[in-house]
Amino acid sequence: RKEVEQDPGPFNVPEGATVAFNCTYSNSASQSFFWYRQDCRKEPKLLMSVYSSGNEDGRFTAQLNRASQYISLLIRDSKLSDSATYLCVVNVRDDKIIFGKGTRLHILP
Amino acid sequence: SQTIHQWPATLVQPVGSPLSLECTVEGTSNPNLYWYRQAAGRGLQLLFYSVGIGQISSEVPQNLSASRPQDRQFILSSKKLLLSDSGFYLCAWSRTRSGELFFGEGSRLTVL
Repeated sequence: RKEVEQDPGPFNVPEGATVAFNCTYSNSASQSFFWYRQDCRKEPKLLMSVYSSGNEDGRFTAQLNRASQYISLLIRDSKLSDSATYLCVVNVRDDKIIFGKGTRLHILP
Repeated sequence: SQTIHQWPATLVQPVGSPLSLECTVEGTSNPNLYWYRQAAGRGLQLLFYSVGIGQISSEVPQNLSASRPQDRQFILSSKKLLLSDSGFYLCAWSRTRSGELFFGEGSRLTVL
Protein backbone atom coordinates (compact mmCIF):
# COMPACT_ATOMS: atom_id res chain seq x y z
CA ARG A 1 0.00 0.00 0.00
CA LYS A 2 1.32 3.42 -0.92
CA GLU A 3 2.06 5.81 1.90
CA VAL A 4 -0.21 8.53 0.53
CA GLU A 5 -2.89 7.94 -2.09
CA GLN A 6 -5.12 10.25 -4.04
CA ASP A 7 -7.53 9.93 -6.93
CA PRO A 8 -5.60 11.49 -9.85
CA GLY A 9 -8.76 12.80 -11.53
CA PRO A 10 -9.19 14.89 -13.53
CA PHE A 11 -12.23 16.41 -11.94
CA ASN A 12 -14.09 18.57 -14.45
CA VAL A 13 -16.43 20.81 -12.50
CA PRO A 14 -18.60 23.75 -13.61
CA GLU A 15 -17.83 27.12 -12.12
CA GLY A 16 -19.74 27.71 -8.89
CA ALA A 17 -20.01 24.04 -8.01
CA THR A 18 -18.68 22.33 -4.89
CA VAL A 19 -15.95 19.74 -5.25
CA ALA A 20 -14.36 17.42 -2.71
CA PHE A 21 -11.11 15.47 -2.73
CA ASN A 22 -10.04 12.67 -0.44
CA CYS A 23 -6.64 11.32 0.40
CA THR A 24 -5.69 8.24 2.40
CA TYR A 25 -2.48 7.53 4.29
CA SER A 26 -1.08 4.23 5.47
CA ASN A 27 0.90 5.08 8.61
CA SER A 28 -1.40 5.53 11.58
CA ALA A 29 1.39 7.36 13.43
CA SER A 30 1.51 10.14 10.82
CA GLN A 31 1.91 13.44 12.52
CA SER A 32 0.74 16.31 10.38
CA PHE A 33 -1.23 16.84 7.23
CA PHE A 34 -1.47 19.48 4.56
CA TRP A 35 -3.05 20.37 1.25
CA TYR A 36 -0.86 22.01 -1.36
CA ARG A 37 -1.77 23.47 -4.69
CA GLN A 38 0.43 23.19 -7.75
CA ASP A 39 0.01 25.12 -10.96
CA CYS A 40 1.50 23.81 -14.17
CA ARG A 41 5.31 23.77 -14.15
CA LYS A 42 5.52 25.63 -10.85
CA GLU A 43 6.55 24.63 -7.35
CA PRO A 44 3.77 23.57 -4.96
CA LYS A 45 2.28 26.18 -2.65
CA LEU A 46 0.75 25.49 0.75
CA LEU A 47 -3.01 25.80 0.61
CA MET A 48 -3.84 24.87 4.18
CA SER A 49 -2.90 22.69 7.09
CA VAL A 50 -5.34 20.04 8.23
CA TYR A 51 -6.26 19.85 11.90
CA SER A 52 -8.06 17.12 13.80
CA SER A 53 -10.97 19.42 14.54
CA GLY A 54 -11.30 20.43 10.91
CA ASN A 55 -10.54 23.89 9.65
CA GLU A 56 -11.88 26.37 7.17
CA ASP A 57 -10.27 29.12 5.15
CA GLY A 58 -12.76 31.02 3.06
CA ARG A 59 -14.20 28.67 0.45
CA PHE A 60 -11.87 25.85 1.50
CA THR A 61 -12.54 23.32 4.25
CA ALA A 62 -10.14 20.59 5.31
CA GLN A 63 -10.89 17.65 7.57
CA LEU A 64 -8.92 14.82 9.12
CA ASN A 65 -10.29 11.42 10.07
CA ARG A 66 -7.59 9.62 12.03
CA ALA A 67 -9.69 6.51 12.63
CA SER A 68 -10.11 5.93 8.90
CA GLN A 69 -6.77 7.51 7.99
CA TYR A 70 -7.98 9.98 5.44
CA ILE A 71 -8.06 13.69 4.92
CA SER A 72 -10.39 15.69 2.74
CA LEU A 73 -10.55 19.04 1.01
CA LEU A 74 -13.81 20.73 0.09
CA ILE A 75 -13.95 23.68 -2.27
CA ARG A 76 -17.20 25.64 -2.36
CA ASP A 77 -18.33 28.08 -5.04
CA SER A 78 -15.44 27.05 -7.29
CA LYS A 79 -13.73 29.68 -9.42
CA LEU A 80 -11.90 29.35 -12.72
CA SER A 81 -8.73 30.24 -10.83
CA ASP A 82 -9.12 27.11 -8.69
CA SER A 83 -8.03 25.00 -11.66
CA ALA A 84 -4.81 23.33 -10.55
CA THR A 85 -3.44 20.10 -9.12
CA TYR A 86 -4.17 19.57 -5.43
CA LEU A 87 -1.59 17.63 -3.50
CA CYS A 88 -2.17 15.78 -0.25
CA VAL A 89 0.93 15.93 1.96
CA VAL A 90 1.65 13.87 5.06
CA ASN A 91 4.45 14.03 7.61
CA VAL A 92 4.48 10.25 7.95
CA ARG A 93 7.13 10.01 10.71
CA ASP A 94 10.28 11.71 11.89
CA ASP A 95 9.82 14.55 9.42
CA LYS A 96 9.62 12.28 6.38
CA ILE A 97 7.17 14.25 4.24
CA ILE A 98 5.39 12.44 1.46
CA PHE A 99 3.24 13.85 -1.31
CA GLY A 100 0.32 12.15 -2.93
CA LYS A 101 0.39 12.10 -6.72
CA GLY A 102 -2.14 14.91 -6.82
CA THR A 103 -5.67 15.39 -8.06
CA ARG A 104 -6.17 17.52 -11.15
CA LEU A 105 -9.08 19.92 -11.05
CA HIS A 106 -10.48 21.73 -14.09
CA ILE A 107 -13.11 24.37 -13.45
CA LEU A 108 -15.28 24.82 -16.53
CA PRO A 109 -16.80 28.20 -17.43
CA SER B 1 12.76 36.25 6.88
CA GLN B 2 13.71 32.87 5.52
CA THR B 3 14.64 32.31 1.90
CA ILE B 4 15.64 29.29 -0.11
CA HIS B 5 17.68 29.36 -3.28
CA GLN B 6 18.21 26.55 -5.71
CA TRP B 7 20.36 26.42 -8.84
CA PRO B 8 20.78 25.99 -11.69
CA ALA B 9 17.22 26.66 -12.85
CA THR B 10 17.54 24.77 -16.10
CA LEU B 11 20.08 22.35 -17.46
CA VAL B 12 20.43 19.97 -20.35
CA GLN B 13 22.90 17.16 -19.85
CA PRO B 14 23.98 14.14 -21.92
CA VAL B 15 23.48 10.61 -20.63
CA GLY B 16 26.42 9.53 -18.51
CA SER B 17 27.44 13.03 -17.46
CA PRO B 18 27.63 14.11 -13.81
CA LEU B 19 25.10 16.28 -12.01
CA SER B 20 25.23 18.72 -9.16
CA LEU B 21 22.24 20.70 -7.93
CA GLU B 22 22.69 23.03 -5.02
CA CYS B 23 20.26 24.45 -2.52
CA THR B 24 20.84 26.91 0.32
CA VAL B 25 18.53 28.26 2.97
CA GLU B 26 18.95 31.60 4.73
CA GLY B 27 17.35 33.07 7.80
CA THR B 28 16.91 29.92 9.86
CA SER B 29 19.08 27.35 11.58
CA ASN B 30 18.97 23.55 11.63
CA PRO B 31 16.23 23.24 9.03
CA ASN B 32 15.02 19.93 7.70
CA LEU B 33 16.03 19.75 4.04
CA TYR B 34 14.45 17.79 1.21
CA TRP B 35 15.01 16.89 -2.42
CA TYR B 36 11.99 15.91 -4.49
CA ARG B 37 11.71 15.00 -8.16
CA GLN B 38 8.69 15.42 -10.36
CA ALA B 39 8.69 13.62 -13.70
CA ALA B 40 6.52 15.05 -16.45
CA GLY B 41 2.83 14.72 -15.57
CA ARG B 42 3.51 12.92 -12.32
CA GLY B 43 3.59 13.57 -8.59
CA LEU B 44 6.46 14.63 -6.35
CA GLN B 45 8.74 11.78 -5.39
CA LEU B 46 10.80 12.15 -2.23
CA LEU B 47 14.45 11.45 -3.04
CA PHE B 48 16.36 12.46 0.09
CA TYR B 49 15.76 14.26 3.32
CA SER B 50 17.99 15.44 6.11
CA VAL B 51 17.13 16.41 9.66
CA GLY B 52 20.68 17.54 10.45
CA ILE B 53 24.27 17.66 9.24
CA GLY B 54 25.49 14.16 8.51
CA GLN B 55 21.97 12.71 8.62
CA ILE B 56 20.60 11.89 5.20
CA SER B 57 17.78 9.46 4.53
CA SER B 58 17.52 8.04 1.05
CA GLU B 59 14.25 6.99 -0.48
CA VAL B 60 15.51 6.10 -3.96
CA PRO B 61 19.00 4.53 -3.91
CA GLN B 62 19.55 4.39 -7.66
CA ASN B 63 22.27 6.59 -9.09
CA LEU B 64 21.63 9.75 -7.10
CA SER B 65 23.23 10.91 -3.87
CA ALA B 66 22.82 13.83 -1.52
CA SER B 67 25.14 15.63 0.86
CA ARG B 68 24.74 18.29 3.49
CA PRO B 69 28.16 19.88 3.92
CA GLN B 70 26.79 22.76 5.97
CA ASP B 71 23.72 23.27 8.11
CA ARG B 72 21.82 25.17 5.44
CA GLN B 73 23.24 23.65 2.27
CA PHE B 74 21.91 20.58 0.52
CA ILE B 75 23.45 19.15 -2.65
CA LEU B 76 22.04 16.56 -5.03
CA SER B 77 24.56 14.71 -7.18
CA SER B 78 24.98 11.99 -9.70
CA LYS B 79 28.12 10.54 -11.20
CA LYS B 80 26.37 9.30 -14.36
CA LEU B 81 22.97 10.55 -15.42
CA LEU B 82 20.34 8.29 -16.93
CA LEU B 83 17.54 9.29 -19.30
CA SER B 84 15.09 8.53 -16.51
CA ASP B 85 16.68 11.23 -14.36
CA SER B 86 14.97 13.93 -16.43
CA GLY B 87 12.47 15.90 -14.42
CA PHE B 88 11.76 18.86 -12.21
CA TYR B 89 13.88 18.82 -9.05
CA LEU B 90 12.68 20.71 -6.04
CA CYS B 91 14.56 21.53 -2.89
CA ALA B 92 12.55 22.39 0.20
CA TRP B 93 13.03 23.12 3.87
CA SER B 94 10.82 22.82 6.90
CA ARG B 95 10.99 23.39 10.61
CA THR B 96 11.44 20.34 12.80
CA ARG B 97 8.20 18.46 13.54
CA SER B 98 6.29 20.66 11.16
CA GLY B 99 5.55 19.46 7.68
CA GLU B 100 4.96 22.81 6.13
CA LEU B 101 7.46 22.94 3.30
CA PHE B 102 9.03 25.96 1.73
CA PHE B 103 10.20 25.29 -1.80
CA GLY B 104 12.94 26.62 -3.98
CA GLU B 105 12.16 27.66 -7.52
CA GLY B 106 13.08 24.26 -8.91
CA SER B 107 15.63 22.93 -11.38
CA ARG B 108 14.43 21.53 -14.66
CA LEU B 109 16.78 18.78 -15.88
CA THR B 110 16.66 17.26 -19.33
CA VAL B 111 18.90 14.30 -19.99
CA LEU B 112 19.52 13.59 -23.68
